[in-house]
Amino acid sequence: KQEVTQIPAALSVPEGENLVLNCSFTDSAIYNLQWFRQDPGKGLTSLLLIQSSQREQTSGRLNASLDKSSGRSTLYIAASQPGDSATYLCAVLKTSYDKVIFGPGTSLSVIP
Amino acid sequence: DTEVTQTPKHLVMGMTNKKSLKCEQHMGHRAMYWYKQKAKKPPELMFVYSYEKLSINESVPSRFSPECPNSSLLNLHLHALQPEDSALYLCASSLPGDGYTFGSGTRLTVV
Repeated sequence: KQEVTQIPAALSVPEGENLVLNCSFTDSAIYNLQWFRQDPGKGLTSLLLIQSSQREQTSGRLNASLDKSSGRSTLYIAASQPGDSATYLCAVLKTSYDKVIFGPGTSLSVIP
Repeated sequence: DTEVTQTPKHLVMGMTNKKSLKCEQHMGHRAMYWYKQKAKKPPELMFVYSYEKLSINESVPSRFSPECPNSSLLNLHLHALQPEDSALYLCASSLPGDGYTFGSGTRLTVV
């Protein structure tokens, strides 16, 4: 059974810092991995989608890497801003017709 | 159009009421999902529709009844809910094996 964990559970950093959020999964046979952002009481916003054949994806200040063999993905946020404060969730899809498994999330607070 | 639209945004209902949540997308996605999310927890899958047919039901109580009238529309009918059903209900859609697009959710309060 696929299990997804995220470290740290919460993170507080001063504005301008570069930071790394970690996601680990127990079954390396995945189809894709997706990183989401969620603001309090809101829906999930997709940040980056990495297919199993890819090693990384980049969008603006965000970079996500995927290492299937070790069961890990990292989300790198450069030059953090207060507007980055949110909960970040990673989600793993095992097959194209399976259900997504979410990690518990990392709550990020960027202090001005 | 790259959005999933959910209505209403907020809903307060009594335990004897019947109400419905609505979800709509026009991205040509053939898989649509209902999730329930409690505070400070990740979303929990409730139902999956694939090509307008119910493909996954995660043992959800019968007081929640999903419906997929067409490839763009997904409803969740609610009846005789309990206070513990209060949560954020999220709809999502995807092409099979592709990334998910989520709506902004319906905040449901059962009184």
